[in-house]
Amino acid sequence: DAEITQSPRHKITETGRQVTLACHQTWNHNNMFWYRQDLGHGLRLIHYSYGVHDTNKGEVSDGYSVSRSNTEDLPLTLESAASSQTSVYFCASSESMGNSPLHFGNGTRLTVT
Amino acid sequence: AQKITQTQPGMFVQEKEAVTLDCTYDTSDPSYGLFWYKQPSSGEMIFLIYQGSYDQQNATEGRYSLNFQKARKSANLVISASQLGDSAMYFCAMREGISSGSARQLTFGSGTQLTVLP
Repeated sequence: DAEITQSPRHKITETGRQVTLACHQTWNHNNMFWYRQDLGHGLRLIHYSYGVHDTNKGEVSDGYSVSRSNTEDLPLTLESAASSQTSVYFCASSESMGNSPLHFGNGTRLTVT
Repeated sequence: AQKITQTQPGMFVQEKEAVTLDCTYDTSDPSYGLFWYKQPSSGEMIFLIYQGSYDQQNATEGRYSLNFQKARKSANLVISASQLGDSAMYFCAMREGISSGSARQLTFGSGTQLTVLP
């Protein structure tokens, strides 16, 4: 079965370190998204991509970057981790139709100390 | 301004009863879609139901139905015959520009925590 996999599931890092969260999907979807989930805010969009070599900033993109070198992967990098980036991070993908739901990974819980 | 508003941070319902979770949205785009997701305590995001702005009938999926009132810009989720397993966080989300041919990002509300009581 097709799936979307995030790794690691849990990560603890120190302020100022660079961190990369992996996202790999086998749906063969062109569209991929990164969200963060914080209490009281729901899910907020960080970055998204509509295809290889395409990346776009979302609502809360400061301090984050992504790259899309193939269809399957959209890694999220925190350039210099800050305590405000402690959160649960979700990767998602979708088909290109307007009524297509997002398929989510199981999330990565990141703690920045 | 908030694009998606869920005004009920928490809701309680008795098992086997129906419950309505509120969602209002704000958009000037005539072509949009509304999605509901369930997030149990295990954390995964589960897609429940979709309603397009041009759909003539309210969407239904098993025990889930969408009370779509376009003029009021509301898309409330109705869960019939609640079960203990329905206890979870529920998110409403919107996608604008659905007739453009591309699946743009979803904008999410802050969620409603539903607890089903035995």
